[in-house]
Amino acid sequence: DAEITQSPRHKITETGRQVTLACHQTWNHNNMFWYRQDLGHGLRLIHYSYGVQDTNKGEVSDGYSVSRSNTEDLPLTLESAASSQTSVYFCASSPGTPPYGTRGYTFGSGTRLTVV
Amino acid sequence: RKEVEQDPGPFNVPEGATVAFNCTYSNSASQSFFWYRQDCRKEPKLLMSVYSSGNEDGRFTAQLNRASQYISLLIRDSKLSDSATYLCVVNIDGGSQGNLIFGKGTKLSVKP
Repeated sequence: DAEITQSPRHKITETGRQVTLACHQTWNHNNMFWYRQDLGHGLRLIHYSYGVQDTNKGEVSDGYSVSRSNTEDLPLTLESAASSQTSVYFCASSPGTPPYGTRGYTFGSGTRLTVV
Repeated sequence: RKEVEQDPGPFNVPEGATVAFNCTYSNSASQSFFWYRQDCRKEPKLLMSVYSSGNEDGRFTAQLNRASQYISLLIRDSKLSDSATYLCVVNIDGGSQGNLIFGKGTKLSVKP
């Protein structure tokens, strides 16, 4: 069955380190998204991609970068981790043709990142 | 005005109750609307899409009022397993390959 997987599920890192969170989907979806979720803020969009070699900044992109070298993967990199980036990170994907039918976005299970 | 606004709750209801959640959105050009469900510490999952004519899926009914830019979700005969946070979701780019904006969610707690 097609799926979207995130790794690692949990990560503890130190301030200043570079961290990469992986997202891999086998839906063959063109669109992929990274969100962070914090108490009181809901889901906030970090970066997104509409296809290979396409990346776009979201609402809270500072300190984060992504690259899209193939359809399946959109890794999220924290260039220099800060305590403010402690959060739960969700990756999502969707097919390329709006209005997305009955599927909307499909989310991965999330990565819980702690920066100490 | 925030793009998608929901009453955060919590809504505490007894089993068997009917409960309604409301949501307003600011972009009149929005074309896609959804309700997602999120269990504690889990990923959001699509509950149902919302269509202009309104739609029903078992105990769940979704309504859309474009004139008032208002979406609702009605849950009848609440079950303990309905306890979760319900997210109102709207496409902000008017049908293009745009972003979905998620409301902060309304928390529902169904008690025995």
